[in-house]
Amino acid sequence: QVTLRESGPALVKPTQTLTLTCTFSGFSLSTSGMSVTWIRQPPGKALEWLALINWDDDEYYSTSLETRLTISKGTSKNQVVLTMTNMDPLDTATYYCARMVQGLKDGLDVWGQGTTVTVSS
Amino acid sequence: DIVMTQSPDSLAVSLGERATINCKSSQSVFFSSNNKNYLAWYQHKIGQPPKLLIYWASTRESGVPERFSGSGSGTDFTLTISSLQAEDAAVYYCQHYYSTPPYTFGQGTKLEI
Repeated sequence: QVTLRESGPALVKPTQTLTLTCTFSGFSLSTSGMSVTWIRQPPGKALEWLALINWDDDEYYSTSLETRLTISKGTSKNQVVLTMTNMDPLDTATYYCARMVQGLKDGLDVWGQGTTVTVSS
Repeated sequence: DIVMTQSPDSLAVSLGERATINCKSSQSVFFSSNNKNYLAWYQHKIGQPPKLLIYWASTRESGVPERFSGSGSGTDFTLTISSLQAEDAAVYYCQHYYSTPPYTFGQGTKLEI
């Protein structure tokens, strides 16, 4: 069974750096075609694609946020970490991680439950 | 970046009726080498993570009811929900995954029953 779970602080102050961890099981990010994506949804707004890391360590970012985002594989083989610098109240959102198997379905077929992050002083 | 535009932004449909949601991409998401459209549809209910409904524009994900269907090619796509059920009330998103990321989402369509 494939599962993903997001973890991180519920509250960060403006200008701080946010670090979120996606812990997954049931698949290996070393397998060809596997990737993990971060997506967020601000309150009352649409889903926003943030970043992706794949089995080959390729990293891709939202064009509008790429200067603030870093995605990486964690020290544990079953983790992906997203950092976002210079947090702003507009970054208040529910942050999700999800799996994509490229070449098979290519959609985001399994999602974590999401973690809510509030940016406030 | 490929821009995904959905229409309408919201719609209200009666139980048992048909709902149609459109999605247009700013450039083609069709790969002629494998004859596939790199487009997915998701259902998002409040308090839950989004759920993959359709991939490759028209392939239903396992476990998704047959009343959900996807169609279209190139830049124009449609999600059709036939015979609406109460549990279909949600926000629906299209997303492309053509070529290299970013794999952008549409702005969402809120479906009320």
